[in-house]
Amino acid sequence: AQSVTQLDSHVSVSEGTPVLLRCNYSSSYSPSLFWYVQHPNKGLQLLLKYTSAATLVKGINGFEAEFKKSETSFHLTKPSAHMSDAAEYFCVVSDRSSNTGKLIFGQGTTLQVKP
Amino acid sequence: DGGITQSPKYLFRKEGQNVTLSCEQNLNHDAMYWYRQDPGQGLRLIYYSQIVNDFQKGDIAEGYSVSREKKESFPLTVTSAQKNPTAFYLCASSIVQGMRDQPQHFGDGTRLSIL
Repeated sequence: AQSVTQLDSHVSVSEGTPVLLRCNYSSSYSPSLFWYVQHPNKGLQLLLKYTSAATLVKGINGFEAEFKKSETSFHLTKPSAHMSDAAEYFCVVSDRSSNTGKLIFGQGTTLQVKP
Repeated sequence: DGGITQSPKYLFRKEGQNVTLSCEQNLNHDAMYWYRQDPGQGLRLIYYSQIVNDFQKGDIAEGYSVSREKKESFPLTVTSAQKNPTAFYLCASSIVQGMRDQPQHFGDGTRLSIL
C-alpha cells in the first residue's frame, strides 16, 4: 500500500526566513511524488514533481524538494518565504499499484507567513 | 488558455434534491477525476474516468453519480442519498500516456452547502 504523511499540520514562518514542509512516504514501488499548493477557495497548483530522475527537484516560485530514499522523505523547502506563499500545501504520491493515474494525498500543511 | 472550468462556484442544495456540478476541460486530456475536500483533510477520490463512456468508483462513491459522454466534460451529480454533501468539490484531469507519473490539473472548485 502507498501513503504519504505530512508531519506538520501547521507551519508558521516570518517573511524572508526559510520554509521547510515535511513529508514522508510509504510505497512498495519506486514512487512518483508531487507537491501541490492550494490558495483559499482555489484549486490545486502543481509546484514540482519527482519521477525517479534527479533527486533534487526544482519547482515554481523558488520551491524545491529532495527525494531521500533512505529516509523515505520528500521535504519541500524554500530559502526565503514571501507573504504570497501563505497557503495549503499537499504532498502526493502516485498510485503505482494500478495504471489508473490515481493520486494519494497527504492531509495538508497550512503555511502561515508573518510580516 | 487551456484549463479546467468548474461551475457554479457556489451551490446550495435543499433536502432531498439532486444537484449537478459541471466540469469542462480544453486540455485534450483523456482522464478526469472528481475529489471531495473537507476542512483539515486531504482530497478523497469520488469517481474517475480514463476514457469516454467509461468511469470507475473511487474511495467514496456512495451518494454520487457521474457520466462521461464527451471527452471534455465530466459532470458530477450529488444525489439525495449523500447525507453529508457539504464540502469543496474539485475536478481534475491528466493525460493517459505514462499516466502513473502524470500530474493532474485542477479546476477552481465548487463549494456545495446545504440549505
